[in-house]
Amino acid sequence: SQQGEEDPQALSIQEGENATMNCSYKTSINNLQWYRQNSGRGLVHLILIRSNEREKHSGRLRVTLDTSKKSSSLLITASRAADTASYFCAETSYDKVIFGPGTSLSVIP
Amino acid sequence: NAGVTQTPKFQVLKTGQSMTLQCAQDMNHNSMYWYRQDPGMGLRLIYYSASEGTTDKGEVPNGYNVSRLNKREFSLRLESAAPSQTSVYFCASSGLGRYTDTQYFGPGTRLTVL
Repeated sequence: SQQGEEDPQALSIQEGENATMNCSYKTSINNLQWYRQNSGRGLVHLILIRSNEREKHSGRLRVTLDTSKKSSSLLITASRAADTASYFCAETSYDKVIFGPGTSLSVIP
Repeated sequence: NAGVTQTPKFQVLKTGQSMTLQCAQDMNHNSMYWYRQDPGMGLRLIYYSASEGTTDKGEVPNGYNVSRLNKREFSLRLESAAPSQTSVYFCASSGLGRYTDTQYFGPGTRLTVL
């Protein structure tokens, strides 16, 4: 399988804390995307970072990309109970899209 | 706009039965996808369609067939269901006909094969 890895597999934090999730991938990419999935629902796109970018921000989200290490991280600042969900990275190129296994985040009020 | 819709939401089949999962999008997107999601595995691509009339196999196509009926609709057929096909199936679409596009997902179909 070409599927990469995400760590941690599960993360539990208190409301107001920051949450960091890491994604490692195996192939060369055009961009890397992060998606969120609430329990029992479809995935929702959060942010896309291109292979020539190193960092990107969107609201409380910060994504970094290190193509030399084939890794990316997603930081959620000042977490809220509503951030409780699973988070997936997806490596994409002209001929493929590969999702990671995901990180399950629980934010405790 | 409804976005991406999938039917049915739930289905129970017996081994050997057939069924078709339906997907439709109203965003005028070129690309459509079918994925399966199993615990701890993330999403795995079954089939991809870059445009009407074209389909490509993904990572796990065995046991499935697809049909891109028109720009809006992309169906997934299980000809002879097996317990290994018990999963949650997601349809997605994206605008420009490339894997690198942002994808929009449907709510999923939960399939159990006994």
